[in-house]
Amino acid sequence: DAKTTQPTSMDCAEGRAANLPCNHSTISGNEYVYWYRQIHSQGPQYIIHGLKNNETNEMASLIITEDRKSSTLILPHATLRDTAVYYCIVRVGNTGNQFYFGTGTSLTVIP
Amino acid sequence: GAVVSQHPSRVICKSGTSVKIECRSLDFQATTMFWYRQFPKQSLMLMATSNEGSKATYEQGVEKDKFLINHASLTLSTLTVTSAHPEDSSFYICSAWDPGGAIPYNEQFFGPGTRLTVL
Repeated sequence: DAKTTQPTSMDCAEGRAANLPCNHSTISGNEYVYWYRQIHSQGPQYIIHGLKNNETNEMASLIITEDRKSSTLILPHATLRDTAVYYCIVRVGNTGNQFYFGTGTSLTVIP
Repeated sequence: GAVVSQHPSRVICKSGTSVKIECRSLDFQATTMFWYRQFPKQSLMLMATSNEGSKATYEQGVEKDKFLINHASLTLSTLTVTSAHPEDSSFYICSAWDPGGAIPYNEQFFGPGTRLTVL
């Protein structure tokens, strides 16, 4: 699976949009971009995933560049409960294969 | 989404003892389950892949004789840390693959984790 690069940490003001970037320049054509987050001392929580089109759900939006070498997770109105470590992972979709986690981005939402 | 549970949530044991951690998929049948370990302020590290009815596949550097994995049914996988030592103290997390997941391609669900402390 391709590796990803994310900033180590970010801050965001409460109520503002949080934009979390991820670089995956070696992504293969059949690999999806997945985003999970982990709140302290809990298991990771699924957020969103996509292949090449932008995706939106009740939690977030995922913007994937046309060349698929990078993506951005957008939390439209960050709350204090969004403070967590966010992981961007690329992997072939729905195959039962492993997720290999990178270092992730520690997002702190500031009141 | 699907629910994965782990038991116990916390365990403290003496050095040299063995500890068993259970991972259950509560509302789906998991063909494959995964075990991760996470040290403080670090990312999740995949330890092994567990397929129902067959031997687990361990990641490089993980001792299979120390971390025994059993996946005897489609809803239960267990991780036994044998002869635990203080350096095995960590947060252990499982995940389960639901091939028939309701959300397309969101097929892997994580448990809440088990905090192991070895004295």
